[in-house]
Amino acid sequence: GDSVTQMEGPVTLSEEAFLTINCTYTATGYPSLFWYVQYPGEGLQLLLKATKADDKGSNKGFEATYRKETTSFHLEKGSVQVSDSAVYFCALSENNNDMRFGAGTRLTVKP
Amino acid sequence: DTAVSQTPKYLVTQMGNDKSIKCEQNLGHDTMYWYKQDSKKFLKIMFSYNNKELIINETVPNRFSPKSPDKAHLNLHINSLELGDSAVYFCASSRGDANTGELFFGEGSRLTVL
Repeated sequence: GDSVTQMEGPVTLSEEAFLTINCTYTATGYPSLFWYVQYPGEGLQLLLKATKADDKGSNKGFEATYRKETTSFHLEKGSVQVSDSAVYFCALSENNNDMRFGAGTRLTVKP
Repeated sequence: DTAVSQTPKYLVTQMGNDKSIKCEQNLGHDTMYWYKQDSKKFLKIMFSYNNKELIINETVPNRFSPKSPDKAHLNLHINSLELGDSAVYFCASSRGDANTGELFFGEGSRLTVL
C-alpha cells in the first residue's frame, strides 16, 4: 500500500540555519504530496502541497519539489526562525478520502 | 468561527468506561475522518466517512464505533476503554475533491485512560 517515510527527529537548529527534512514515498499511482505542520497544542494544518511531478509547493519560506524519479518530496527552508518550531508531517493522497502521513519530524529552533 | 471543532478537549477516565468524542465541521465538506496520534506523534487513520457513509475502516478494535448523524458531524464512541487507548484523537474534514486533498483538522481531544 501507499506509504510515506520521513527522516527521524528530533532536529535542533539555530535561528537562521538551513533546514532540510527528507521525505520519500511509495505509491501505486500518481499521488498528491503534502507537508503539514503541527504547532504545540494544535491540530495539523496544511503547509504546502504539490499535485504532480516537478511541481514545487511553497509557503512561509518553505519549499518542496515533487520528484518522481527519486520518489521524494523534501522540505526545505533557507533560514529558520524560533516560530518554526513544530512537528512536520509529510503526507500523500491518491484520492482525497485516504491521506497517509509519515511519522512526523520534530523541529526545535533555538535563538 | 472554528472550522472543525471537537469536544471534549481533554478526557480523563477509568479503564472499562465508555466515552464519546464529538466532532462538527462548518465548512460544508463531504468527508470527515478520525485519526489517532500516539505519544510519539505517529498519526494513524481510523475511519473516514463520505456523506454519512463509512468508506475507510482501518484495523481498529470494534470497541470503537463512529457515528455520522449528518455530513457535518462525526462522533466517536469508545466502549470498554483500555490503557492503550490513551492518545490524542483528531477529527478532520475535506471537500472530498481529488484536486485539493487538503484536510482541515480540529484541535484534538486528549484521552487519558487510568
